[in-house]
Amino acid sequence: EVQLVESGGSLVQPGGSLRLSCAASGFTFSRNSMNWVRQAPGRGLEWVSYISTGSNAIYYADSVKGRFTISRDNAKNSLSLQMNNLRAEDTAVYYCAREASGRGDFDYWGQGTLVTVSS
Amino acid sequence: QSVLTQPPSVSGAPGQRVTISCTGSSSNIGAGYDVHWYQQLPGTAPKLLIYGNSNRPSGVPDRFSASKSGTSASLAITGLQTEDEADYYCQSYDNSLRALFGGGTTLTVL
Repeated sequence: EVQLVESGGSLVQPGGSLRLSCAASGFTFSRNSMNWVRQAPGRGLEWVSYISTGSNAIYYADSVKGRFTISRDNAKNSLSLQMNNLRAEDTAVYYCAREASGRGDFDYWGQGTLVTVSS
Repeated sequence: QSVLTQPPSVSGAPGQRVTISCTGSSSNIGAGYDVHWYQQLPGTAPKLLIYGNSNRPSGVPDRFSASKSGTSASLAITGLQTEDEADYYCQSYDNSLRALFGGGTTLTVL
C-alpha cells in the first residue's frame, strides 16, 4: 500500500525557517517524481514545488522561489522541503504528492502537515 | 486568482447530473496538456478522481466522467449522491512545466 507521511509542520515566526519531510513507503520511491502542494486555510490547492526522480529537474512556484528548497533522498525514501524566510501567506497545510509515472497527475497524497507563520 | 478557472460552487439534487467546468488558455490546457481532476472531502487530503482528461482510477465509480476540448475541460457527475459533497479541483500544466490547479468548486447536494 502506497503511503506518504508528512511531518515537520509547526508554528513559526515570520522570517523563520522550517523543514518539512515526507516519508514514502509501499512503492519504489526512486521511480516517481514528487511534488509539494499546499492549501491555505479555507482556500484552494496551490502547487509549490516539483522534483524529478534523480533530482535533475526541480521547479518552484513563483511565490516560493528563492525561499524554499525541495530535495529527496532515494536511499531513505524521503522527500523534504526546506522553507526559509517564511511569511504569513505561507500558512497552509502542506501535502506531498506522488506524480504518476509518465502521466502528470498526482495519484497519491499524504495527509498533510500544518505550517502556521505568525508572531 | 487561479490560471485555471472553475465555478466557485455548483449544486444539484440527489440523482441529478452536474457538471464542473475548468477553463484555461492556449498556454496551458490549450497547449495540449492533460487535465486531471481531484475530489477533496471535508477535512481530508485530495484524491485523484480522473487522470489524462477522461480516465478513472480503479475504484472511482463510473458516475464520474470528464472530457477536454480546446482550452477547457469539464467534469460530470451523474446520479448525485450525498457522499459526493466535496470540493473538486482541476489540474494541468503550463508551458513552463509547472503544475496548475483550478480554484476549486464546492459541490452541494441539496
